[in-house]
Amino acid sequence: DVKVTQSSRYLVKRTGEKVFLECVQDMDHENMFWYRQDPGLGLRLIYFSYDVKMKEKGDIPEGYSVSREKKERFSLILESASTNQTSMYLCASSFNGGVGELFFGEGSRLTVL
Amino acid sequence: GQQVMQIPQYQHVQEGEDFTTYCNSSTTLSNIQWYKQRPGGHPVFLIQLVKSGEVKKQKRLTFQFGEAKKNSSLHITATQTTDVGTYFCAGPNTGGFKTIFGAGTRLFVKA
Repeated sequence: DVKVTQSSRYLVKRTGEKVFLECVQDMDHENMFWYRQDPGLGLRLIYFSYDVKMKEKGDIPEGYSVSREKKERFSLILESASTNQTSMYLCASSFNGGVGELFFGEGSRLTVL
Repeated sequence: GQQVMQIPQYQHVQEGEDFTTYCNSSTTLSNIQWYKQRPGGHPVFLIQLVKSGEVKKQKRLTFQFGEAKKNSSLHITATQTTDVGTYFCAGPNTGGFKTIFGAGTRLFVKA
């Protein structure tokens, strides 16, 4: 059974802290994505990666960075968390970029105080 | 930039009533996908439509892709409480590397 695993379901951090969100997929997918989900705004793409060590900005990359050192792992980094980054973060992977089915992780709900 | 718009934002129905959500893209899409997210869950892929005018059915769910490949709809016949959740449409950007989502339609079903 295909699986995308996010390291933390719930996190509470303080303003200014560095935050790491980890995502691992076991499907040997080339493409991985980080979205954030906010009520009324749907899913907005933060960053994506179509190969190891490759990364591309999505629609809302400000305040975020990513790392893809291994094919199966895609990390989202908040260098200095702010309250407006309180959100649900969803990691996804796919076999063929934006034209195929996305497999999502369970999500990480981050609260920044 | 490229946008995918979805209406309505919310829909309350009585169990047994029908439900439809509509999706419109600012650009022509090579395909459109639909996802369902149950309350507290994550989006799960339902279906992908590729051809102009395509219609696909999954039990009580009917998916349509417009002739111009810029709009799509999801229709649920005789809703059940198990249909509650948020339904998202999504399509690839022009380059095909990323998927752009609509804001979703949240369906509430009253028993």
